[in-house]
Amino acid sequence: DIQMTQSPSSLSASVGDRVTITCRASQSISFYLNWYQQKPGKAPELLIYDASTLQSGVPSRFGGSGSGTDFTLTIRSLQPEDFATYYCQQTYTTPPLTFGGGTKVEIK
Amino acid sequence: DVQLLESGGGLVQPGGSLKLSCAASGFTFSKNAMSWVRQAPGKGLEWVSAISDTGFSTYYADSVKGRFTISRDNFKNTVYLQMNSLRAEDTAEYYCAKVSTEGPFRGYCDYWGQGTQVTVSS
Repeated sequence: DIQMTQSPSSLSASVGDRVTITCRASQSISFYLNWYQQKPGKAPELLIYDASTLQSGVPSRFGGSGSGTDFTLTIRSLQPEDFATYYCQQTYTTPPLTFGGGTKVEIK
Repeated sequence: DVQLLESGGGLVQPGGSLKLSCAASGFTFSKNAMSWVRQAPGKGLEWVSAISDTGFSTYYADSVKGRFTISRDNFKNTVYLQMNSLRAEDTAEYYCAKVSTEGPFRGYCDYWGQGTQVTVSS
């Protein structure tokens, strides 16, 4: 099975900060890496797919990069509505279609 | 607009069964794979199962293999998750999700339902 390791597991940041979250796969997954945002009590929402493609309607302050085993989610200027938990997920190959452990972004 | 509406959750005793349903609308249901993802209280997301667009191919996490069965009815635009031999560790919010591709691989979950709670307890 492919393991997905996200870091950090949590972070504190201020409005306007640049935030970077990393996701590492235990083997190459090409660019089949997706990022989701989840707010408390809500279903996850797709932010970025195929490592770097912004889902329609997602603000351009969100960006994704990487391929192979190392990926990054960047929020250029953190806004109040961005405080949430973020998950990566690989869909490269045979199941399980593993999620990372999540990164909780909290207000400093 | 795409809508996914889960139902069928509830309280069940260990060893019991439940069948979750997810009614879909707003897209051509028969052209997309569907997934179930769960989230235990205070924990992260766990992929549970997926089914291809035709229903021919199904996939399961090791934690549910042999106990859960995913199926779909492309006439009723509904995906199901039959859960048998339930355990306390199956307690979670269960989400269904539309997959962007015909099979679950190399795609992404672009729409999610609001979730249905399953609690396994005596």
